[in-house]
Amino acid sequence: AQSVTQLDSHVSVSEGTPVLLRCNYSSSYSPSLFWYVQHPNKGLQLLLKYTSAATLVKGINGFEAEFKKSETSFHLTKPSAHMSDAAEYFCVVSDRAMSGNEKLTFGTGTRLTIIP
Amino acid sequence: NAGVTQTPKFRVLKTGQSMTLLCAQDMNHEYMYWYRQDPGMGLRLIHYSVGEGTTAKGEVPDGYNVSRLKKQNFLLGLESAAPSQTSVYFCASSYSRVVETQYFGPGTRLLVL
Repeated sequence: AQSVTQLDSHVSVSEGTPVLLRCNYSSSYSPSLFWYVQHPNKGLQLLLKYTSAATLVKGINGFEAEFKKSETSFHLTKPSAHMSDAAEYFCVVSDRAMSGNEKLTFGTGTRLTIIP
Repeated sequence: NAGVTQTPKFRVLKTGQSMTLLCAQDMNHEYMYWYRQDPGMGLRLIHYSVGEGTTAKGEVPDGYNVSRLKKQNFLLGLESAAPSQTSVYFCASSYSRVVETQYFGPGTRLLVL
């Protein structure tokens, strides 16, 4: 079984300060992990994904995430927030099950607010 | 290249009415998905398709039907709408496996009165 927990439903940071969005996961198999972003009234867009290569994954718009197996975490970070980063962020996990019956499990989302 | 498009963008239904949501993709993707998004919850998979002519149930399939007659289109039907189906519906597609990047449409906001 797989699950994902986003530890904060809402995060507020000032423009120019670092961003940290936390995600813990549970997986029975070797997981694939994703971060998607959803801007208001838009569909979801992939920020980055981890699929068992490098544990530090770089994505678009200066975001990156680090896969830590010992902590079962995949936190999303950005060194300096920009006003355009204001959005909803979803952490997503997928088991690469032996049966091939893969499915995505979405977290409940973290709303990021940027303070001017 | 329009990506994934959804029709309509917004719809209001009365309880018991039926409707079809259309999803189209122009990326030649094999896999297509329908999700619903409700406040405070992540996206939940309704139905999906792994290729033309195939469909399969997802996490919350009850009250919905789907068809994939053409590779580029994936239709979601509500036979008898209920207020519990008030939600935002997203279509997505991916080239092959589920763990490949999924590309999402802009969503359809449905209100059932």
